[in-house]
Amino acid sequence: GAGVSQSPSNKVTEKGKDVELRCDPISGHTALYWYRQSLGQGLEFLIYFQGNSAPDKSGLPSDRFSAERTGGSVSTLTIQRTQQEDSAVYLCASSLSSSGNTIYFGEGSWLTVV
Amino acid sequence: QKEVEQDPGPLSVPEGAIVSLNCTYSNSAFQYFMWYRQYSRKGPELLMYTYSSGNKEDGRFTAQVDKSSKYISLFIRDSQPSDSATYLCAGGGGGSNYKLTFGKGTLLTVNP
Repeated sequence: GAGVSQSPSNKVTEKGKDVELRCDPISGHTALYWYRQSLGQGLEFLIYFQGNSAPDKSGLPSDRFSAERTGGSVSTLTIQRTQQEDSAVYLCASSLSSSGNTIYFGEGSWLTVV
Repeated sequence: QKEVEQDPGPLSVPEGAIVSLNCTYSNSAFQYFMWYRQYSRKGPELLMYTYSSGNKEDGRFTAQVDKSSKYISLFIRDSQPSDSATYLCAGGGGGSNYKLTFGKGTLLTVNP
């Protein structure tokens, strides 16, 4: 596709439920990133993929968060047993490679946990 | 101390004004810097990418990097109401070459 595509764009879920957020990066981009943006906060790094491998998962807040990438393309971020503090915008981004290339963001998945 | 500090504003200017947005950073390993613009309920959009100290100009936008003082700036000339958005600065490179570290963003409003 022309840009990074994320779904759903909006999600309201009940506390304790699991959610899956999907990212479809720009075609040919080998590097994929997940960031989180909370109200009044900057973008917080969550995880980085190079191909299907995740060399850096250091930003995942807890073991309730996991992510995978298949076929070197689509990635899914899963949040288990959601909590209210998980409410945020989850932004996916991709770049041609990991070495200082321009990083392009999707529109984000706006998650509200009630 | 956060690695990238940015005054959150809000900043309000009249149309046509020159806008100066600034960030400081503490990580000497940063090799490149980016400015993103983010409209309300949209994803960040890359505005400027700079790799070294000095100025880089693109239309009404000028990015300035001073690595000696760890200071980065974005200037907007002849500001327009359509420039109203949150502006995010970010640094990257060094040990974690793939990772961008962002400031919290500055909310700018340009009044017609």
